[in-house]
Amino acid sequence: EAAVTQSPRNKVTVTGGNVTLSCRQTNSHNYMYWYRQDTGHGLRLIHYSYGAGNLQIGDVPDGYKATRTTQEDFFLLLELASPSQTSLYFCASSDDSGEQYFGPGTRLTVL
Amino acid sequence: KTQVEQSPQSLVVRQGENCVLQCNYSVTPDNHLRWFKQDTGKGLVSLTVLVHENDKTSNGRYSATLDKDAKHSTLHITATLLDDTATYICVVGDRGSALGRLHFGAGTQLIVIP
Repeated sequence: EAAVTQSPRNKVTVTGGNVTLSCRQTNSHNYMYWYRQDTGHGLRLIHYSYGAGNLQIGDVPDGYKATRTTQEDFFLLLELASPSQTSLYFCASSDDSGEQYFGPGTRLTVL
Repeated sequence: KTQVEQSPQSLVVRQGENCVLQCNYSVTPDNHLRWFKQDTGKGLVSLTVLVHENDKTSNGRYSATLDKDAKHSTLHITATLLDDTATYICVVGDRGSALGRLHFGAGTQLIVIP
């Protein structure tokens, strides 16, 4: 069965802090995605990747970097966290069909 | 501008009752529409996908319809259970491959009470 895991599940940091969110998939999928979910909004795409070493910009990329080190691992980096980045972050993976499988989410709070 | 609108925003029903959730969208092209269930603090789990004009699907107590002319979908939940308490999210895909984009609604929060 498809499996996408995220760590940490919860994170609290301060304004200006440096945060890395991790995502690992064991589906052998080529595509991986990072989203944020905020009350009153649908999930919004931050960055995505077609494969190891590839990075594509999503719809809300400002303040975020990402890196795809292997087919399995996709990281989201917040180098100077701000309170506006307090959110629930989801990672997803998909094969060529585009059907996405989601991780359990990471709740990030920036004080 | 929001391209996927869901209604109602929230809904409270008694266990055993039926309910209907609505999704209207303006995404073009609209290759497919998928309904997800999201338990509080958890990830999204796919319930059903609709692809064709006037598609109808059924998955246990969940059934869904799609009217591509009207750009409208409904999710019906029959004989609700307490475990149906969750947020239900409508997602429209503009292509049938990973090269397409997904457009997410904000969700309907369903609360089932005893």
